[in-house]
Amino acid sequence: QQQVKQSPQSLIVQKGGISIINCAYENTAFDYFPWYQQFPGKGPALLIAIRPDVSEKKEGRFTISFNKSAKQFSLHIMDSQPGDSATYFCAAREETGKLIFGQGTTLQVKP
Amino acid sequence: DAMVIQNPRYQVTQFGKPVTLSCSQTLNHNVMYWYQQKSSQAPKLLFHYYDKDFNNEADTPDNFQSRRPNTSFCFLDIRSPGLGDAAMYLCASGTGFKAEAFFGQGTRLTVV
Repeated sequence: QQQVKQSPQSLIVQKGGISIINCAYENTAFDYFPWYQQFPGKGPALLIAIRPDVSEKKEGRFTISFNKSAKQFSLHIMDSQPGDSATYFCAAREETGKLIFGQGTTLQVKP
Repeated sequence: DAMVIQNPRYQVTQFGKPVTLSCSQTLNHNVMYWYQQKSSQAPKLLFHYYDKDFNNEADTPDNFQSRRPNTSFCFLDIRSPGLGDAAMYLCASGTGFKAEAFFGQGTRLTVV
């Protein structure tokens, strides 16, 4: 059973556009929702994260929107740049600390 | 100034031949994790250590073992690699279960 569902699987955006990636979860006990960015051949790196008592968090061009009642959260990348081209994973943390990852979204930003 | 270092970056092993992947961290973190990431899939937790306490995920095959001889180092041993074990293996560390996990660059394992 997939506890964290991520969509879309792939995304193509023009430079300067907005990239939006969505995730949905089932377990209401998750207590932390990070997003990771992974470039080819590299390990994932934490991009931005949010706790469920906050509806939005913004860091530079990256924003997480969190809807606790709908059990959904999304990543918005404003003014998308070619350097943002990577695979993005949402994740949710169990009470034990274990991270459950979504399936990933491959983002391509075209110049 | 890499903080979590995995060696080697690429490993080719023969079907059935034991292989060991290594990870070191310079952060003095209590927790170390091993994840398996197959092509175009999400990372999947295999096991983790909190200090010397080993925690195996229920669905991790017995073929996968781990050792943590000290705080800085952690090893992943695959006793008899099969073709299905070809993947990127990611090591991560953190100060605790509730803390951010820092990932290494990964070791890409090929089984021939």
